[in-house]
Amino acid sequence: NAGVTQTPKFQVLKTGQSMTLQCAQDMNHEYMSWYRQDPGMGLRLIHYSVGAGITDQGEVPNGYNVSRSTTEDFPLRLLSAAPSQTSVYFCASAGVGTEAFFGQGTRLTVV
Amino acid sequence: AQSVTQLGSHVSVSEGALVLLRCNYSSSVPPYLFWYVQYPNQGLQLLLKYTTGATLVKGINGFEAEFKKSETSFHLTKPSAHMSDAAEYFCAVSDQRGGSYIPTFGRGTSLIVHP
Repeated sequence: NAGVTQTPKFQVLKTGQSMTLQCAQDMNHEYMSWYRQDPGMGLRLIHYSVGAGITDQGEVPNGYNVSRSTTEDFPLRLLSAAPSQTSVYFCASAGVGTEAFFGQGTRLTVV
Repeated sequence: AQSVTQLGSHVSVSEGALVLLRCNYSSSVPPYLFWYVQYPNQGLQLLLKYTTGATLVKGINGFEAEFKKSETSFHLTKPSAHMSDAAEYFCAVSDQRGGSYIPTFGRGTSLIVHP
């Protein structure tokens, strides 16, 4: 059972480039979310989804876009990368009343 | 809106000493509460969770936490610290606000264990 699969693990982008972080879960969870982790800031919610076709903004949504066309997949798009988006990104999924299950993270550097 | 406050960004203990990491939350409905641990350069691993029932929750690696509704707290404890417990610890809360079980995290507490 793979759980939450997140790719890539590492990425370096130039300012202004775009990219998509992939996230897939095989637990049939309704709830999926993206967080960024920065030193001293904990995990801050970027976007989340409560089911296929439904997404909403979290605490820090600017510069990011998401879609949820299937239950399994929840990609995060960086539209035009900026140095302030250098961070570690985590995808998570959860069922009703369960804990969140996390991917292994993506370490993104924008130069 | 739900929120989590972790008191102390760093906690330092000696090996064998009691570990106490503090977490207070706010939630307008009965919450689900979690503690996660993150070792360097790794993802987040669930230590323990409270959903319903017994307020004293036991987790992995000898950790436990007690849900105190009157104090809106969910502090994490371990009787005797090991060197291997050195890590970042995150408290999180989720509830059915708006039909969502998306957790909100605290800023984390770094546990330092001295020999």
